[in-house]
Amino acid sequence: DVKVTQSSRYLVKRTGEKVFLECVQDMDHENMFWYRQDPGLGLRLIYFSYDVKMKEKGDIPEGYSVSREKKERFSLILESASTNQTSMYLCASRKSSYNEQFFGPGTRLTVL
Amino acid sequence: GQQLNQSPQSMFIQEGEDVSMNCTSSSIFNTWLWYKQDPGEGPVLLIALYKAGELTSNGRLTAQFGITRKDSFLNISASIPSDVGIYFCAGGAFGNEKLTFGTGTRLTIIP
Repeated sequence: DVKVTQSSRYLVKRTGEKVFLECVQDMDHENMFWYRQDPGLGLRLIYFSYDVKMKEKGDIPEGYSVSREKKERFSLILESASTNQTSMYLCASRKSSYNEQFFGPGTRLTVL
Repeated sequence: GQQLNQSPQSMFIQEGEDVSMNCTSSSIFNTWLWYKQDPGEGPVLLIALYKAGELTSNGRLTAQFGITRKDSFLNISASIPSDVGIYFCAGGAFGNEKLTFGTGTRLTIIP
């Protein structure tokens, strides 16, 4: 079974803090993704990585950066958290050449 | 980004009833996926479809890849309380890493 894990289920941070969200997958998948999910807006792609040290902007990259130093790990960084980044953050991975993405359990981030 | 049209937006049914929902797109896809998301959790993949006209089952769930490749359908037979949640469709195209997601159908079971 594919397993995607995220470092925290719930996180509360203050405005201006630097925030790291970690995602790890154990199935040797090449591609990894970060989404945010907000009521009424659905799933929106922030960044994705198609291989180690490779990254591509998604639909809403502003205010975020990512790091992929190892194949199994994909980090999302909020350089200076703002209240409008309060959201549910979902990580996903997939084997390249297959379309199925497998999601982690999500991190609910609240920025005060 | 684009979102797929999914209907209905919400459903209120009684336990034991059958459920049907669908997803439509203005674009052609090579893959249709159906996910279920429980409150506070990540989406879980239910069914993947790869061929136009394909009909695939997973227990009480059956999904179909529309012949035009622009739509897909999900049916749940004899619903049970654990079917409650939000169901998402997603379309994928070969050579494109990204998926396009539907707006979701929220299923509620009335006691």
